[in-house]
Amino acid sequence: EVQLVESGGGLVKPGGSLRLSCAASGFTFSRYSMHWIRQAPGKGLEWVSSISSSSDYIFYADSVKGRFTISRDNAKNSLYLQMNSLRAEDTAVYYCSTVKGSGSYPFDPWGQGTLVSVSS
Amino acid sequence: EIVLTQSPGTLSLSPGERATLSCRASQSVSSSYLAWYQQKPGQAPRLLIYATSSRATGIPDRFSGSGSGTDFTLTISTLEPEDFAVYYCQQYGSPRYSFGQGTKLEIK
Repeated sequence: EVQLVESGGGLVKPGGSLRLSCAASGFTFSRYSMHWIRQAPGKGLEWVSSISSSSDYIFYADSVKGRFTISRDNAKNSLYLQMNSLRAEDTAVYYCSTVKGSGSYPFDPWGQGTLVSVSS
Repeated sequence: EIVLTQSPGTLSLSPGERATLSCRASQSVSSSYLAWYQQKPGQAPRLLIYATSSRATGIPDRFSGSGSGTDFTLTISTLEPEDFAVYYCQQYGSPRYSFGQGTKLEIK
């Protein structure tokens, strides 16, 4: 069974940093792209960042470009999101997700999410 | 960036009724790359439909998807109590993925 477990969320002051992790199991992690998606309280889903299986291709939403860095460690079956210069509008539940093939596939499954709160 | 607009924002129906949810794209989306997700309170989204009309594993056949170009539809033929949730469309053909703002399906 595919499992994705996010961690690292918490309360941080504006301008601060946080590093999220996503531990993957139940599939061959190194074969598939990985993704971060966030959801602000009471709001919809927003794609944040994606990384290809071998880290050759990385994409960011404009809202986080230059502040967030996605990375992965295929030896540890782990995905990361380094978040710097955090703003109040970054407050959200952050989900990691994968896909079920190479190429363009929908996000499936998703982790349970980790809450990031940015407040003074 | 492809912008997806869902309508209506909220849909109030009763169990047993038929639900029709719309997703309109700002530019043409390949039908191979349009998905629908269901999200219940406190839960992560779950994939329902991919490639416009293919049901994900374990999804009941009362859920169906259709459409092409810029107009896509999710239909729930006969609403069950567990279907009341928020539904999102998504395009995944471009690496700058985008979601619609969601349609809340509530019990009337």
